[in-house]
Amino acid sequence: EAQVTQNPRYLITVTGKKLTVTCSQNMNHEYMSWYRQDPGLGLRQIYYSMNVEVTDKGDVPEGYKVSRKEKRNFPLILESPSPNQTSLYFCASSAGGVPTEAFFGQGTRLTVV
Amino acid sequence: GENVEQHPSTLSVQEGDSAVIKCTYSDSASNYFPWYKQELGKGPQLIIDIRSNVGEKKDQRIAVTLNKTAKHFSLHITETQPEDSAVYFCAALLVRGQGNLIFGKGTKLSVKP
Repeated sequence: EAQVTQNPRYLITVTGKKLTVTCSQNMNHEYMSWYRQDPGLGLRQIYYSMNVEVTDKGDVPEGYKVSRKEKRNFPLILESPSPNQTSLYFCASSAGGVPTEAFFGQGTRLTVV
Repeated sequence: GENVEQHPSTLSVQEGDSAVIKCTYSDSASNYFPWYKQELGKGPQLIIDIRSNVGEKKDQRIAVTLNKTAKHFSLHITETQPEDSAVYFCAALLVRGQGNLIFGKGTKLSVKP
């Protein structure tokens, strides 16, 4: 089954404690991206990757890091999480190196206290 | 920066009626416009998309229209059913970088039986 898998689905952490949210896709897609979803603000793009070793900033990259060492995985790293990073995070992937016909993961709800 | 405005933020219709959601975008060079449906507790799911060389696209009860001159596009759902109740997001792909997808803030559609 074609899917984008995020882990964990739920996470509560404390300010300053580094964390990683993993994202893996099994469709051999070139393009992967991370979004955060906040009430009243919709989906905002954090980072995207058009292929292995190619990443670029989206609209809200501050406080986040990503890496794309292999095609299937695109982890989101919060080096020093802060409460304003409490949000619902989605990973997405699509073929062809552009975000057309993107598949989304189920989401990761992060709470930073 | 570039943005996508979506209206209305909430929409309530009776089962069987039509629903229309409208979006405007700022980047005149945008060339890809997807619509996503997000059900409670799930990730967004692509329902229809349109590219800038097409004015209208239909898929059963769903249609999207694009007016490039006015920089707006709309989602039309006919013969609505209770299972159409969800949050709908429009988006526009920025030509800059080719990987930056800008989303509207969403429309919560409620279809009353």
